[in-house]
Amino acid sequence: SQQGEEDPQALSIQEGENATMNCSYKTSINNLQWYRQNSGRGLVHLILIRSNEREKHSGRLRVTLDTSKKSSSLLITASRAADTASYFCATEGGGGKLIFGQGTELSVKP
Amino acid sequence: GAVVSQHPSWVICKSGTSVKIECRSLDFQATTMFWYRQFPKQSLMLMATSNEGSKATYEQGVEKDKFLINHASLTLSTLTVTSAHPEDSSFYICSARGGTYNSPLHFGNGTRLTVT
Repeated sequence: SQQGEEDPQALSIQEGENATMNCSYKTSINNLQWYRQNSGRGLVHLILIRSNEREKHSGRLRVTLDTSKKSSSLLITASRAADTASYFCATEGGGGKLIFGQGTELSVKP
Repeated sequence: GAVVSQHPSWVICKSGTSVKIECRSLDFQATTMFWYRQFPKQSLMLMATSNEGSKATYEQGVEKDKFLINHASLTLSTLTVTSAHPEDSSFYICSARGGTYNSPLHFGNGTRLTVT
């Protein structure tokens, strides 16, 4: 079952601009994770934020988590054409299952 | 880092035949494996959770007799799509976790199944 809603569904920006993607979920979570997927390929783990954390950084990535609103955002700064991919949030609750959001398709134009 | 190998990466089969997909953890023991399917331009849908040595737990709406999952060892889980039909054509991805539920999840590169 899916519980994550992401917006926007698609995002097109110019190289150098920032890209922000949002994710909302419905149930309580242990952590929330962001993944990247290039077309037709497997998933690449980007970052994990625990339920007791509010913000986390990794290189050009910044993730926020608001458990009161059950939402998270992923910010990619200074985007590059190579960032073009689909991005998914995934929530991990009891039992260790990862439930994925609908994803945002990011296109970064050179 | 931990590696999960999924095989084959793509397969084409005729309607009515069965297809087996393997998921191996190469450098760790996977106590739990998860199987997902993904239709084009859609998200990953969890199909089932398999724990080594026990029966898989299927998500609602997933036919357990259609999608047979075997997790007979700590490094191998298999998904068999039985009597495949064109609507089973999809991208199937496995993931594996070693140790406790706090251990990170590692994903295979997926299998593209096309049923003609």
